[in-house]
Amino acid sequence: DAEITQSPRHKITETGRQVTLACHQTWNHNNMFWYRQDLGHGLRLIHYSYGVQDTNKGEVSDGYSVSRSNTEDLPLTLESAASSQTSVYFCASSPDPANYGYTFGSGTRLTVV
Amino acid sequence: AQKITQTQPGMFVQEKEAVTLDCTYDTSDPSYGLFWYKQPSSGEMIFLIYQGSYDQQNATEGRYSLNFQKARKSANLVISASQLGDSAMYFCAMREANAGNMLTFGGGTRLMVKP
Repeated sequence: DAEITQSPRHKITETGRQVTLACHQTWNHNNMFWYRQDLGHGLRLIHYSYGVQDTNKGEVSDGYSVSRSNTEDLPLTLESAASSQTSVYFCASSPDPANYGYTFGSGTRLTVV
Repeated sequence: AQKITQTQPGMFVQEKEAVTLDCTYDTSDPSYGLFWYKQPSSGEMIFLIYQGSYDQQNATEGRYSLNFQKARKSANLVISASQLGDSAMYFCAMREANAGNMLTFGGGTRLMVKP
């Protein structure tokens, strides 16, 4: 069955370190998204991609970057982790956001100490 | 201004009763869609129901229905015959055609079903 997987599920890192969160989907969806979830804020969009070599900034992109070298993967990199980036991170994909909803991964809980 | 507002941070409902979770939205885009997602304590995001701005009928999916009042810009989720497994966070979200159809989420409502 097609799926979207995130790894790791949990990570603890130190302030200032570079961290990469993986997202891999086998749906063959062109559209992929990264959100962060914080209490009281729901989910907020960090970055998104409409296809290979395409990346775009979302609402809360400062301190994050993504790259899209193939259809299946959209890794999220925190260039220099900060305590404010402690959060739960969700990856999602969609074949066509205009007509279909998103399929979400299970999330990565990141703690920056 | 908030695009999606969920005014109920937490709610209780008695098992087997119906419950309405409120969602109001703000958009000037004529083409938009509204979604509800459920997030149980395990953390995954589960799609429940969708309503398009041009849909004439209110959406229904099993025990879930969406009370769509376009003029009032509200899209409340109604869960009938609540079950203990309905205890979870519920998020309302909107996509807007003029904003690239990105999903914007509300802050969520925590629903607790009492036995």
